[in-house]
Formats: sequence, C-alpha cells, structure tokens
Amino acid sequence: KQEVTQIPAALSVPEGENLVLNCSFTDSAIYNLQWFRQDPGKGLTSLLLIQSSQREQTSGRLNASLDKSSGRSTLYIAASQPGDSATYLCAAPPGGGTSYGKLTFGQGTILTVHP
Amino acid sequence: GAGVSQSPSNKVTEKGKDVELRCDPISGHTALYWYRQSLGQGLEFLIYFQGNSAPDKSGLPSDRFSAERTGGSVSTLTIQRTQQEDSAVYLCASSTGLARNEQFFGPGTRLTVL
Repeated sequence: KQEVTQIPAALSVPEGENLVLNCSFTDSAIYNLQWFRQDPGKGLTSLLLIQSSQREQTSGRLNASLDKSSGRSTLYIAASQPGDSATYLCAAPPGGGTSYGKLTFGQGTILTVHP
Repeated sequence: GAGVSQSPSNKVTEKGKDVELRCDPISGHTALYWYRQSLGQGLEFLIYFQGNSAPDKSGLPSDRFSAERTGGSVSTLTIQRTQQEDSAVYLCASSTGLARNEQFFGPGTRLTVL
C-alpha cells in the first residue's frame, strides 16, 4: 500500500525567499509523481508531473525532483511571491510501475508568503 | 477544451436524504476518479472508472455510496441515507488513461449534511 508523507506541514516565509517542500513515498516502484496546488475553497491545480525516468521537471519558478531509490521528491519554488500562498500536495500512483489507478496524497504543506 | 466540471458546487441536505453529485470530465478522457476531502482526513480515493467500468471501488466507505458512468463521459456519485460524517468536499478528476495519466481535477462539490 502506497503511503505519502509531506514535510513541513506549514511554512511561512518572506517574499523573495527560495524554498523547498518535501515529499516521501513508501513504494518506490512508481511510474510518476504529481505535485498539485490547492487554493482555499478550490479544487486542485496540477503543477508538475515528473516521470520515473526523469530526475527533474521544471515549470517557470517551480522545479520538482524525484529520487526513486530514496523514495523522495522535492518541490523547489524560486523567488517566492505572495501569490504562491496555497496548500501544496504531492501524490503518487500505486507502485508496481503502473501509472493507472488512484493517487495517494500527502497531507499537504500550507505555504504562506508574506510581503 | 474545458476542464473538469462538477455540479452542484454546494449541496446542503438533511440527514437521511439521498444526494447525487455530477462530474463532467475533460472531453476524450477515458479515466475518471472520485475523491473526498474532509477536515482531518486529507484527500481520500473513492472510485476509479476506465470507460464505463470501475476496476477499483475500494475507497467507497459503505454500501450507501455508489457511482456510475455512462457513455464513457459523465459520472454520478450517489450517497443514500446521508449521514453527518458524509460532509466533505467531493472532487472528481479525469485523465487520458494513457501512460502519462496526469490527473486533472474539477472544482469540487461541497456537501453539508445537517
């Protein structure tokens, strides 16, 4: 059974700071891993999907890395802005090398970027 | 085209009533998922459809919960005899069903059972 853990649970930083969110998963035979953003009262927005064959995936100021051997992924946010304030969730599909089926989510990191 | 849509956005019902929640996936997406998000429980998987079939129903919490998908498109999640513990945000997602299988989420339906 896949289990996903995120640390820290909450993070408050001043604007402009670079920051790292951490995600760990128990079944390392994953096909890919997704990072999402959730604003209060809203659904989930997909930020990045990183394939198991990749070590990094970048989108603008966001960079996600994946280390299957250690069961870890990180989301790096460069030059943080108040608009980045949200809950960030990572999610992994079932192990066994399949991308199909349910995602298992971490509990999320609540990020606050203050001006 | 348009993203995943869900209706209603909010639903308030009385304990014991039945409710139906609707999900319209992204056009052409063959896979459809239902999840539930409640305070203290995080995001929980409910059921997964591939086409009109549900190969994984393992997350449905009781037999009061059921879901169907017709025409490989719209899905309805039905909760019978609602209980207060059913109060949550119900999220639907869809994906292409191909190898990459990135899931895209709708805005959710907030269900409140009084």
